[in-house]
Amino acid sequence: QVQLVESGGGVVQPGGSLRLSCAASRFTFSGYGMHWVRQAPDKGLEWVAFILYDGSNKYYADSVKGRFTISRDNSKNTLYLQMSSLRAEDTAVYYCAKDPNYGGNFEYFQYWGQGTLVTVSS
Amino acid sequence: DIVVTQSPDSLAVSLGERATINCRSSQSVLYSSNNKNYLAWYQQKPGQPPKLLIYWASTRASGVPDRFSGSGSGTDFALTISSLQAEDVAIYYCQQYYSTPPTFGQGTKVEIK
Repeated sequence: QVQLVESGGGVVQPGGSLRLSCAASRFTFSGYGMHWVRQAPDKGLEWVAFILYDGSNKYYADSVKGRFTISRDNSKNTLYLQMSSLRAEDTAVYYCAKDPNYGGNFEYFQYWGQGTLVTVSS
Repeated sequence: DIVVTQSPDSLAVSLGERATINCRSSQSVLYSSNNKNYLAWYQQKPGQPPKLLIYWASTRASGVPDRFSGSGSGTDFALTISSLQAEDVAIYYCQQYYSTPPTFGQGTKVEIK
């Protein structure tokens, strides 16, 4: 069964930075696009970013464009989200999710990690 | 962006009864070249990540009980639980992946009456 384990969450001050990681296992990580999706406390789901299987294409939500950077290291089976200029409204559980499309562009969110909580507060 | 709206926001159904959640997109998510609707449904139980239930509007994900079914095309879709079980208490989300950004409905909370 696919396994996705997020880490790196915590409390950070407004304007600060944080890097999230997602360790993937039990599937061919280098063949699939990956997403970050977030959920503010007691709120709905918001897609954050997508990266193609080889890192050649990246897409971002307008709410994070220019502040967040998605990346991946296929040699380490790890997905990253570098977050900077953090705001209170970025407070959320951040999930990494696997796309089902082998070698192709994004579709839906086939498998999800358990999430890591990011709290932006002074 | 495509806006996705679910109705109702919450519903309470008796055990064994049918539950239906509706989902409407602000523009069609049917891709004419392959005749596929780019719509998925997820289930989220308290304290857990979302779980994929349905993709391509009507295809059940692996391991999903057959009491869950998806229907609809174009802009109007539905998720039906044919016989509600206690373990189905959750929030359900629909999501379009026809265009970037992928967008979710606001969620529908399903409870036992």
